[in-house]
Amino acid sequence: SQTIHQWPATLVQPVGSPLSLECTVEGTSNPNLYWYRQAAGRGLQLLFYSVGIGQISSEVPQNLSASRPQDRQFILSSKKLLLSDSGFYLCAWSVGTATGELFFGEGSRLTVL
Amino acid sequence: SQQGEEDPQALSIQEGENATMNCSYKTSINNLQWYRQNSGRGLVHLILIRSNEREKHSGRLRVTLDTSKKSSSLLITASRAADTASYFCATAHMDTGRRALTFGSGTRLQVQP
Repeated sequence: SQTIHQWPATLVQPVGSPLSLECTVEGTSNPNLYWYRQAAGRGLQLLFYSVGIGQISSEVPQNLSASRPQDRQFILSSKKLLLSDSGFYLCAWSVGTATGELFFGEGSRLTVL
Repeated sequence: SQQGEEDPQALSIQEGENATMNCSYKTSINNLQWYRQNSGRGLVHLILIRSNEREKHSGRLRVTLDTSKKSSSLLITASRAADTASYFCATAHMDTGRRALTFGSGTRLQVQP
């Protein structure tokens, strides 16, 4: 069966520090991969998606970047965090087209102080 | 901007009552999906309805889709305290090359025991 792992679950970072969130999927190959951000009590904002290794599409100009160094690994990074980067980050994957069901990780809660 | 917008934003009912949540969207869709999110957790897929379908059932869930009104509803019958969660609609759009779902802002459902 397929599983998705996302870490760390929680982190508190000072403004200006770097960020790295990692997501890996097991039990499938060539998944579509996604990073979403959720502000407190709000919906999900798509940040990045990837349909293959090294292929990253960015939805919103921001202080973040994403990389896909391996087929089932998706990394969200920042060189210098801003206060506005605080939020709940969710990694997800889907099979085939992007119109199907999404499978989400458990999320990473980032607080920037 | 968000394509799907849920209504109401928050809903509180008694156990055993039915809960109805609505979702509106703006542009043509391939399908519409509903997800559930327990507090502080990842989202879980509930049901998918395609653009050529009008109604779909899954257990205590009933989803309707009206493409002429660009709206959908999620009905949870005989609600239980364990149904307490946030519910999101997500749309897959036909007209763009965007390979990702667009999520609404969600309805927070509280079921009182």
